[in-house]
Amino acid sequence: QVQLVESGGGVVQPGGSLRLSCAASGFTFSHYGMHWVRQAPGKGLQWVTFIRYDGENQYYADSVKGRFTISRDNSKNTVSLQMKSLRSDDTAVYYCAKGGDGWLPHFVNWGQGTLVTVSS
Amino acid sequence: QSVLTQPPSVSGAPGQRVTISCTGSSSNIGAGYDVHWYQQLPGTAPKLLISDNINRPSGVPDRFSGSKSGTSASLAITGLQAEDAADYYCQSYDSSLTGWVFGGGTRLTVL
Repeated sequence: QVQLVESGGGVVQPGGSLRLSCAASGFTFSHYGMHWVRQAPGKGLQWVTFIRYDGENQYYADSVKGRFTISRDNSKNTVSLQMKSLRSDDTAVYYCAKGGDGWLPHFVNWGQGTLVTVSS
Repeated sequence: QSVLTQPPSVSGAPGQRVTISCTGSSSNIGAGYDVHWYQQLPGTAPKLLISDNINRPSGVPDRFSGSKSGTSASLAITGLQAEDAADYYCQSYDSSLTGWVFGGGTRLTVL
């Protein structure tokens, strides 16, 4: 079965950096795009970024463009999210999600999430 | 303010039917992009409930159904059960924002 395990969350000061990772198993990782979605405490879901199956194209929400970078290593079945210039409104649980089939894939499977807290 | 508009809350007694609406615009649902629904039980990660407007993934009870018309979509839950108490989110793609978008979420209370 599909398993997605996020790691790397923690407490970071405003302006700092953090790198999240998501280890995938149970499917042919190199065939699927991957998303990151976040959820601020007590709030709804917000799409953050998407990377296509081969890593050639990445897409970002305006709120993170220029600060966050998504990447993947198909040899290690991992997708990463490098976050810099972090702000208090980046505080959230970050989920990685496996994309479905098609050009605009939805979120088929989700990890358990990792909490990022931006605070001084 | 979410791009897709959902009612903040709905409620129903066990056995009843409830619907959750999701209203978009001409740049997302109205443009023909598919709508998907997710269920988030308290303290857990979201789970795909309905894909491509009407399809139930394996394991999702047929009490859950989706529909789409024009710039809106709906999720219907029949035979309400206590275990259905959760937050429900609709999701689509928006061509103006060039990104994936969610509704603000609807909290279902089973009375």
